[in-house]
Amino acid sequence: GAGVSQSPRYKVAKRGQDVALRCDPISGHVSLFWYQQALGQGPEFLTYFQNEAQLDKSGLPSDRFFAERPEGSVSTLKIQRTQQEDSAVYLCASSLEIEETQYFGPGTRLLVL
Amino acid sequence: GDSVTQMEGPVTLSEEAFLTINCTYTATGYPSLFWYVQYPGEGLQLLLKATKADDKGSNKGFEATYRKETTSFHLEKGSVQVSDSAVYFCAHPRRDSNYQLIWGAGTKLIIKP
Repeated sequence: GAGVSQSPRYKVAKRGQDVALRCDPISGHVSLFWYQQALGQGPEFLTYFQNEAQLDKSGLPSDRFFAERPEGSVSTLKIQRTQQEDSAVYLCASSLEIEETQYFGPGTRLLVL
Repeated sequence: GDSVTQMEGPVTLSEEAFLTINCTYTATGYPSLFWYVQYPGEGLQLLLKATKADDKGSNKGFEATYRKETTSFHLEKGSVQVSDSAVYFCAHPRRDSNYQLIWGAGTKLIIKP
């Protein structure tokens, strides 16, 4: 079946612009995760959804970052007033249940100029 | 606090060579341990896992044994192929979370024909 998909794959933004990154999880997966991966580093947890409920947003670096999953399927990570330090790969992952294996999408590479 | 330390890369080997990528961890208790692989242009994929001490995870010719005495989970493969070129990440769940993963920085593996 289809895996986790993310769009766009690449995004270039001017500093101060708002961006929206989309994640389509595997159908039927209850849990959805967002990660930020800086160059040469492992992923850093941003936030977690169980269905439409955002149960953990402790990893969001600032209030410029906002995530939603209104119908418990597709999720959007929004970054307002982007800064250069926001440049990274943003990964989405989903799992059938909370403790099950996480399946990752290919990521969105964001470059803020 | 919890952490994962991997050997620095890149690791460059010739085809059919023996591979070891070291991973050590600090954690409270005995969490599950994971190896993920990230092929160029693709998302992270679970390669193998071990859920308790002395367990051996294996997949695609790769193996790793959960060693609680040395707090290690080294990745090995007897004969690498060019197609194994990728970045490998070691990870385990945070003590106070059953979904937030603590990641190593990743080890880039380059296999030359």
